[in-house]
Amino acid sequence: DAGVIQSPRHEVTEMGQEVTLRCKPISGHDYLFWYRQTMMRGLELLIYFNNNVPIDDSGMPEDRFSAKMPNASFSTLKIQPSEPRDSAVYFCASKGQGSSGELFFGEGSRLTVL
Amino acid sequence: GNSVTQMEGPVTLSEEAFLTINCTYTATGYPSLFWYVQYPGEGLQLLLKATKADDKGSNKGFEATYRKETTSFHLEKGSVQVSDSAVYFCALSDRDSGGYQKVTFGIGTKLQVIP
Repeated sequence: DAGVIQSPRHEVTEMGQEVTLRCKPISGHDYLFWYRQTMMRGLELLIYFNNNVPIDDSGMPEDRFSAKMPNASFSTLKIQPSEPRDSAVYFCASKGQGSSGELFFGEGSRLTVL
Repeated sequence: GNSVTQMEGPVTLSEEAFLTINCTYTATGYPSLFWYVQYPGEGLQLLLKATKADDKGSNKGFEATYRKETTSFHLEKGSVQVSDSAVYFCALSDRDSGGYQKVTFGIGTKLQVIP
């Protein structure tokens, strides 16, 4: 299996622009998680899905952030409008239902908002 | 709710030194416990895990024992190498009130090993 695939790996944008991050989970995995990593706050859970349904979005910082999972093989995290404080590395991870809880992470999308 | 507390870094050690990174947890159920490692520029990857009390997880010379009585899962390695320099995350997985499996991470501990 190719593992969890994220795109883009790097994104540089200007304040106010829309940003869309993409994730393809491992085939057969039915949990998908979005995390944000910064030096100040460490690894924060933003939202997670089970069978394409959002289960807990309490970590989404504000209405500027939205996430969708239209099918089992694709998810997006959108920021509109973006702000400099959104600069971070965003990770997607997936997990199988029967596993003991092990997550498989993508390589991350590094976002810089100028 | 569940939580994971691990020692803050950075931790700097000389090559071949003994490593301990402390991790304690709070959980309402019977969680599985994990250590993940993040090398520079990469995502997190599983280092080792333990699914029940007294289990010992081990990999690449690292070990951690699930201690229910002290709610701890400390990471140890007898002799660290420069290539072990990375950020280490302690984590637990448990089912929430809705029956969904949720994973909670600690803040991460940066380890730097110098020759």
